[in-house]
Amino acid sequence: EDQVTQSPEALRLQEGESSSLNCSYTVSGLRGLFWYRQDPGKGPEFLFTLYSAGEEKEKERLKATLTKKESFLHITAPKPEDSATYLCAVTWIGNDMRFGAGTRLTVKP
Amino acid sequence: GAVVSQHPSRVICKSGTSVKIECRSLDFQATTMFWYRQFPKQSLMLMATSNEGSKATYEQGVEKDKFLINHASLTLSTLTVTSAHPEDSSFYICSAPRVGSLDTEAFFGQGTRLTVV
Repeated sequence: EDQVTQSPEALRLQEGESSSLNCSYTVSGLRGLFWYRQDPGKGPEFLFTLYSAGEEKEKERLKATLTKKESFLHITAPKPEDSATYLCAVTWIGNDMRFGAGTRLTVKP
Repeated sequence: GAVVSQHPSRVICKSGTSVKIECRSLDFQATTMFWYRQFPKQSLMLMATSNEGSKATYEQGVEKDKFLINHASLTLSTLTVTSAHPEDSSFYICSAPRVGSLDTEAFFGQGTRLTVV
């Protein structure tokens, strides 16, 4: 069954402590993998789109990578304002966007 | 600034009444828009795909007669929750993909918090 799985479910970091979030997918014919940030009570904010294995994109302290089975969102030297839920979503041939459950990131000062 | 605008951001209605939520793409045309529902501490669940000029396609388990979708123009889609009940209380979010020359981005509205009392 096609699915999108994110891990960990929750992650607590100290300010400056780098880490990675994982998004694994089991779909055929991937069209795109999206990363979003969502703050409580708000709609998701677009971060990245990745299309093919080996692709990497960066934005400030965030770097997203993609393999044939998973994507990582690397957070370098996070700050408290990076605290949010990070969602990944996948589109594949014949289907609309499907989301993972998200990773709730908390960065303590 | 926001490229997809959703209105209202919050609404409280009485059980049995209907509520309309609007989703507008502000600086691009969207032939397709998506409607999601999100329960507390859960991820977004796709409800339906709104197609300009044609009928919406609904996900399995979503009642099309209860959640009416209209995509009358290339910049506006509406979701109407008919005969709302307390179990319909949720956070509803729309999104619209913007296809660029190099990338496709899916932008989201701000969301609508619906409370049915």
